[in-house]
Amino acid sequence: DAMVIQNPRYQVTQFGKPVTLSCSQTLNHNVMYWYQQKSSQAPKLLFHYYDKDFNNEADTPDNFQSRRPNTSFCFLDIRSPGLGDAAMYLCATSAEEDYEQYFGPGTRLTVT
Amino acid sequence: QKEVEQNSGPLSVPEGAIASLNCTYSDRVSQSFFWYRQYSGKSPELIMSIYSNGDKEDGRFTAQLNKASQYVSLLIRDSQPSDSATYLCAVQGGKLIFGQGTELSVKP
Repeated sequence: DAMVIQNPRYQVTQFGKPVTLSCSQTLNHNVMYWYQQKSSQAPKLLFHYYDKDFNNEADTPDNFQSRRPNTSFCFLDIRSPGLGDAAMYLCATSAEEDYEQYFGPGTRLTVT
Repeated sequence: QKEVEQNSGPLSVPEGAIASLNCTYSDRVSQSFFWYRQYSGKSPELIMSIYSNGDKEDGRFTAQLNKASQYVSLLIRDSQPSDSATYLCAVQGGKLIFGQGTELSVKP
């Protein structure tokens, strides 16, 4: 089945220790998104790629970076995680911008 | 500031009843509207999309859109305990803007 896959599902990192989350998709969608969702809050868009074009949200901290080496994969790098970065990180894809978005299972990040 | 508003709930309905979830949005030019279901600790799952005024039915789910009133709703007929989740309304306005979600509890 076509799907969005995120690894790892759970990640524990230490304060200040860089961490990378990964997302892959078999849907062959052009657009890949990264969202941050904290408890009882709506998902917050961090950035998205349309193909290789990177689009950063204005309020996304510099601590968050992303890479999309090919159509199928996208990575979220958190350079120096703080306690406030503990959250669920969601990857989503859509065929085109403004189309339906499909979410992966998410990565739950804990910062100790 | 584009906004999407939902009642946070919790909305409690008995099994077999109709659950009605409501959402209003501020951006008049929005064209695409979505409902996601999110179980506790899981990721959002797309359950309905609607693009034109009126009703759209899919199984037990009906989405209703009224662009003049900037209002979108989701009806769940014959509610089941497995429908207990948070329902997120999302509106496409340059980017997908989510409401805070309505928590639905279906009591057996």
